[in-house]
Amino acid sequence: QVQLVESGGGLVRPGGSLRLSCAASGFTFSDYYMSWIRQAPGKGLEWISYISSSSTYTAYADSVKGRFTISRDNAKNSLYLQMNSLRAEDTAIYYCAREWVCPDYWGQGTLVTVSS
Amino acid sequence: DIQMTQSPSSLSASVGDRVTITCRASQGIRNDLGWYQQKPGKAPKRLIYAASSLQSGVPSRFSGSGSGTEFTLTISSLQPEDFATYYCLQHNSYPHTFGQGTKLENK
Repeated sequence: QVQLVESGGGLVRPGGSLRLSCAASGFTFSDYYMSWIRQAPGKGLEWISYISSSSTYTAYADSVKGRFTISRDNAKNSLYLQMNSLRAEDTAIYYCAREWVCPDYWGQGTLVTVSS
Repeated sequence: DIQMTQSPSSLSASVGDRVTITCRASQGIRNDLGWYQQKPGKAPKRLIYAASSLQSGVPSRFSGSGSGTEFTLTISSLQPEDFATYYCLQHNSYPHTFGQGTKLENK
């Protein structure tokens, strides 16, 4: 069965960096686009980035453009999100999701807290 | 960016009720819309894709309709497990955008 497991979240100071990972299993990872979506505490969902199956294409929300970088390693069945220049407003649960038409399977999320 | 306006933001209903949630897009998005259900502390679950296609394993009491700028999610007969928050998502153009969510509560 499809499984997506995020890791790498934690507490980081404003201006700091963090790298999130998403380990995929149960499907042919290299066949699918993948996305990162986040949810601030008590708030709605915010799409933040996607990457095509062979990493040719990426896109970002304006709120993270220039600070976050999405990447993937198809040999390791893994998706990544490098987050730099973190701000308090980046505090959220970060979900990775498989894209088929639109996000179909989601991981359980990893919490990122940006605070001094 | 395409804005998604979801209504209502909250809704009180009873088991057995028919419930409708609406999403309006700020410009035409064909049928590039999905609906998601989220329960507290859990990841969202896809219910509907391509505006009206039912995700495998999702009960048939859920249905979606619409095209262009107006979309609806209907629950034909509300069940106890359906009390949750619902979101629409447009994936017609980047950045993809979610509606603000509809919290469905037990009356």
